[in-house]
Amino acid sequence: EAGVAQSPRYKIIEKRQSVAFWCNPISGHATLYWYQQILGQGPKLLIQFQNNGVVDDSQLPKDRFSAERLKGVDSTLKIQPAKLEDSAVYLCASSSGTSGRGRAQYFGPGTRLTVL
Amino acid sequence: SQQGEEDPQALSIQEGENATMNCSYKTSINNLQWYRQNSGRGLVHLILIRSNEREKHSGRLRVTLDTSKKSSSLLITASRAADTASYFCATDNSNYQLIWGAGTKLIIKP
Repeated sequence: EAGVAQSPRYKIIEKRQSVAFWCNPISGHATLYWYQQILGQGPKLLIQFQNNGVVDDSQLPKDRFSAERLKGVDSTLKIQPAKLEDSAVYLCASSSGTSGRGRAQYFGPGTRLTVL
Repeated sequence: SQQGEEDPQALSIQEGENATMNCSYKTSINNLQWYRQNSGRGLVHLILIRSNEREKHSGRLRVTLDTSKKSSSLLITASRAADTASYFCATDNSNYQLIWGAGTKLIIKP
């Protein structure tokens, strides 16, 4: 079974530029998550999708971050414009079942973003 | 906001020894999960324990949960070099989203 795919693996941009990350979850997983992980910290949930609907985006900085999951499969997370504090690893995860309740989450390799 | 807090922040042991990590949390939970993260394999799910369970095993891993003390422990027996990684506990909030601690960094010395 193929795991969660993410691209790109690394990205370096200047502040105020825009960037987009792509994620393809495990086939059949209805729930998809985007996390931000700053060095030395645990992951922080940015947004959770159930199929193509948003379950929770309360911690997504909506003035600069946006995410979509068209057709309920793969997803894109965008940052525009980027700030220095956005430097982090962006992780995508998926899980089976309704809203991922009580289920393990399966993570992709992440995208390491550096904002200069 | 941070729910789970792992203790210790860092742990260094000799290969073959047992490693114990603890996690404390603040509010009631439905379940608690442990994950491992290293540079080679990324973030990987280890064990999920539900609030009505007290202990679970998976290979060399043993997880205990004490809901009265709001704490959990992860025991790795007969440690190996490949166990070197950061270990995170994650608890679910009322909306079943996972809230993560900052992790315990485990180093296994040869």
